[in-house]
Amino acid sequence: GESVGLHLPTLSVQEGDNSIINCAYSNSASDYFIWYKQESGKGPQFIIDIRSNMDKRQGQRVTVLLNKTVKHLSLQIAATQPGDSAVYFCAEKSAVGANSKLTFGKGITLSVRP
Amino acid sequence: DAGVIQSPRHEVTEMGQEVTLRCKPISGHNSLFWYRQTMMRGLELLIYFNNNVPIDDSGMPEDRFSAKMPNASFSTLKIQPSEPRDSAVYFCASSLYYRGNTGELFFGEGSRLTVL
Repeated sequence: GESVGLHLPTLSVQEGDNSIINCAYSNSASDYFIWYKQESGKGPQFIIDIRSNMDKRQGQRVTVLLNKTVKHLSLQIAATQPGDSAVYFCAEKSAVGANSKLTFGKGITLSVRP
Repeated sequence: DAGVIQSPRHEVTEMGQEVTLRCKPISGHNSLFWYRQTMMRGLELLIYFNNNVPIDDSGMPEDRFSAKMPNASFSTLKIQPSEPRDSAVYFCASSLYYRGNTGELFFGEGSRLTVL
């Protein structure tokens, strides 16, 4: 989910379990979506992206799912590791072929328990 | 490989002082973005440049904020006069845009600004 208050929502998972981080977007014209990971004291780092003509894309240990009907995006992390602890942002962009701006969601904190 | 380089990493200043944040994008990238991050508002786009030309500055909060990109390898974000509500982490990001490319953003490590 998205945060609208002072504190980011937190997802706590056991090391080795799978994590699912969800994001709702509002712009039905968005046709390109990205997940970014931000570790403490660093800038956001690209994880995986997906275009609107796809509903699933897989990377190494990560999968992004897109449901355009309900404007929902999710990031699945397999076999979650301590190094996955970070804040995760979904971002959306309209017109992937144009240099339009990227809009970020509020972020979700993933905490991995040893 | 050098990523996006920002300076200073930390700045503490008093209300009313001028603040200048600097950014060196990745060599060869043609788009540069300034974002501000706070707990309340998350990551907000302030302004972005394409080929050194400002394209969208609608996110710049007010006239106290200005940004320049005099050449392809340098950009500044200036706040004058600074106010306590400007306290945030300011990120610079760059990308290589061409038609059909997604233009993935590469972020610097940020400049943490505290205005007392």
